[in-house]
Amino acid sequence: GQQVMQIPQYQHVQEGEDFTTYCNSSTTLSNIQWYKQRPGGHPVFLIQLVKSGEVKKQKRLTFQFGEAKKNSSLHITATQTTDVGTYFCAGPNSGYALNFGKGTSLLVTP
Amino acid sequence: DGGITQSPKYLFRKEGQNVTLSCEQNLNHDAMYWYRQDPGQGLRLIYYSQIVNDFQKGDIAEGYSVSREKKESFPLTVTSAQKNPTAFYLCASSMSGQVSELGFFGQGTRLTVV
Repeated sequence: GQQVMQIPQYQHVQEGEDFTTYCNSSTTLSNIQWYKQRPGGHPVFLIQLVKSGEVKKQKRLTFQFGEAKKNSSLHITATQTTDVGTYFCAGPNSGYALNFGKGTSLLVTP
Repeated sequence: DGGITQSPKYLFRKEGQNVTLSCEQNLNHDAMYWYRQDPGQGLRLIYYSQIVNDFQKGDIAEGYSVSREKKESFPLTVTSAQKNPTAFYLCASSMSGQVSELGFFGQGTRLTVV
């Protein structure tokens, strides 16, 4: 079945450094979604990418969807302590539910 | 305010007991989902329902059961057959069950079986 893999599993940065997490799917995706989960919280939807090669920005966050629609990335510029959490990518499986990657846990130290 | 309500937030049960987790939404969404989250494992799909009175097994349905008698409610029962029930359980919904739609999550229920 379709699998979504994310790397790295953990990332520890100093505040102000950049951060990138990568997501790869075993199959072509119709869309990919990104979620953020704060420690002790629930996943919160960040964005959905649909088009091949799409790039979307949300303030310091840049999301990309690969040309082949099998990979995606999330880049955070100049991290802040408020960016701490686990970032998940998710892609549709058989059209009815989402397959989530295992997530990348980001720790930002001041 | 529209949203998804899961209760309780924390739940403790003895081994061998069935337990039912509540999930209610007032978003008028057709589709509802249950995910399980374990440390380092991400989210894994247990069951989903695209419409009232219909539901489908996800990747890890063994030891769980659900019902969807009302559009707004999708309770999950963790049975004694579930070998490792201690986990964080998340309920989600989407407008029509098409995964191009956006998903909303409840606050989660943290179940501990002792």
